Amino acid sequence: GAGVSQSPRYKVAKRGQDVALRCDPISGHVSLFWYQQALGQGPEFLTYFQNEAQLDKSGLPSDRFFAERPEGSVSTLKIQRTQQEDSAVYLCASSDRDRGYEQYFGPGTRLTVT
Amino acid sequence: AQSVTQLGSHVSVSEGALVLLRCNYSSSVPPYLFWYVQYPNQGLQLLLKYTTGATLVKGINGFEAEFKKSETSFHLTKPSAHMSDAAEYFCAVSGSGAAGNKLTFGGGTRVLVKP
Repeated sequence: GAGVSQSPRYKVAKRGQDVALRCDPISGHVSLFWYQQALGQGPEFLTYFQNEAQLDKSGLPSDRFFAERPEGSVSTLKIQRTQQEDSAVYLCASSDRDRGYEQYFGPGTRLTVT
Repeated sequence: AQSVTQLGSHVSVSEGALVLLRCNYSSSVPPYLFWYVQYPNQGLQLLLKYTTGATLVKGINGFEAEFKKSETSFHLTKPSAHMSDAAEYFCAVSGSGAAGNKLTFGGGTRVLVKP
């Protein structure tokens, strides 16, 4: 595809609901990252995939956060039992060797937990 | 471990004036350094990056940055601000240029350009 796409762009969830955020990386990109950007702050790393393998999940803030990339392309970030502190923009980025592993970012999903 | 500090969460410049955004980093390994720009409701766009070699790096839209190891700095400059430069700018560091090069970002600097 032309770029990284994310859906939905906006999500409002009531506290305690589960949400699923989708990322479509650039076609063929091996590496995929998730970042969380709280209001007024810089993005913070959540997790990293190389193909379908989740090689780094050190940034996931709690066991309520789960990410998967079962076929090595589309990825889903799932948040269970959402809390107000989960309100943030969730950014996805993909990269590949051809461009020196430069990360290309999607537009993000803005999650608001009420 | 890496960290990034951006001095000044907001910067206001007049159109045509110099833009200077400050970034200091901490890294236990030779750093890879990046500047990204974020327009409202959009993702991050890479302005420029330093990996190895020449310490003065030129990027898109007339921006450049200089890597100064002795000062652990990577300040971003543009000689003449344009209204379209109004956005938020993030400095980031990575300890690797390889596949798993997760980025550590600073808190961002929002630039306002006055006509």
